[in-house]
Amino acid sequence: DAGITQSPRHKVTETGTPVTLRCHQTENHRYMYWYRQDPGHGLRLIHYSYGVKDTDKGEVSDGYSVSRSKTEDFLLTLESATSSQTSVYFCAISTVPQETQYFGPGTRLLVL
Amino acid sequence: DQQVKQNSPSLSVQEGRISILNCDYTNSMFDYFLWYKKYPAEGPTFLISISSIKDKNEDGRFTVFLNKSAKHLSLHIVPSQPGDSAVYFCAASDSNDYKLSFGAGTTVTVRA
Repeated sequence: DAGITQSPRHKVTETGTPVTLRCHQTENHRYMYWYRQDPGHGLRLIHYSYGVKDTDKGEVSDGYSVSRSKTEDFLLTLESATSSQTSVYFCAISTVPQETQYFGPGTRLLVL
Repeated sequence: DQQVKQNSPSLSVQEGRISILNCDYTNSMFDYFLWYKKYPAEGPTFLISISSIKDKNEDGRFTVFLNKSAKHLSLHIVPSQPGDSAVYFCAASDSNDYKLSFGAGTTVTVRA
């Protein structure tokens, strides 16, 4: 298994509060991704990173920001959580962007 | 607009028989295709992939077929086993992009 951890694994928060999810890898992969999984939508890309301090938006980036200050860590922040951001969030890593990505165990977020 | 579609949300198959999962895509620039398997409360795990220069790739009980003219790929699992019960996601990428586009998933249930 690829060395990817996500924290926290579960979180309940209230609307309007900031939330930060962390992805940590021990594989030294250059590329990192944040996805959300919702019923009927599969996995949708939120943001991705192609190197330290290099990030870009995915298809559902509104309401989310990311930061990558070290190769091994990729943070996803919900500046002001909304109920529509209730989801399961997955981090993924890869060595080559277009090919196989390896996923973390996920974070289940509930926004009340 | 979803570029990768899995039109069957669920599939039930008897143990020992063949499971066939289908996936259609609309973007003709896609040149790499993957299947992921996901168990509840876990992250997706990579199963098998195929490049657009091939029309078939086999790995043990799993075979992926690609029909570029029809923009269609399928995953065959033979023989199906109880441990194959999971959600299967089809994904695709093109060489000029950083991201994978995922289908909504097909839930496979293997009956004893």
